[in-house]
Amino acid sequence: NAGVTQTPKFQVLKTGQSMTLQCAQDMNHEYMSWYRQDPGMGLRLIHYSVGAGITDQGEVPNGYNVSRSTTEDFPLRLLSAAPSQTSVYFCASSFGVLNTEAFFGQGTRLTVV
Amino acid sequence: ELKVEQNPLFLSMQEGKNYTIYCNYSTTSDRLYWYRQDPGKSLESLFVLLSNGAVKQEGRLMASLDTKARLSTLHITAAVHDLSATYFCAVDMEGNNDMRFGAGTRLTVKP
Repeated sequence: NAGVTQTPKFQVLKTGQSMTLQCAQDMNHEYMSWYRQDPGMGLRLIHYSVGAGITDQGEVPNGYNVSRSTTEDFPLRLLSAAPSQTSVYFCASSFGVLNTEAFFGQGTRLTVV
Repeated sequence: ELKVEQNPLFLSMQEGKNYTIYCNYSTTSDRLYWYRQDPGKSLESLFVLLSNGAVKQEGRLMASLDTKARLSTLHITAAVHDLSATYFCAVDMEGNNDMRFGAGTRLTVKP
């Protein structure tokens, strides 16, 4: 059972570079989301999607873009990486947005130098 | 602005003891989630609490929700080493898809 798959697991970027973090789920979940986790803090919601073609901003969306062209995939794009974006990124999915538990990917540890 | 506060942030327990982790939140919500995270790992869902007075139990963990007090508790009974992890509560922002997490409680259970 694959569940939620994130790639890559680790990434080092130089300031100003762009990249895409990949997230795919095979559970036919409608709801997908991206979080970042910083030391001593809980997870903060970056962007989320309630279905293919629909995305919205979360708590900390600046510097990130998302798209949802299929139910399975929800990539996160860093447009111009900054050291403040050094973090661990988690993708999550759930069957519906309400009343259901979220399943998380294994995380991507991103360092921007 | 929704705030989710957990306490304590760090908890060191002896095996066999009981303790409670508290999660307070600052806005109306009747949906609260508890997750567990092991070091360097992803998050695992523990409980989904969907109404005032909801209580759920799994093994040595029991979670409850009081929406009037805006408080959820995670009670640990007779702790064992395997429960060592970081525990997060998360609150749904009034059903608008915006989940807010507490800072987490790092639990260490010592022999």
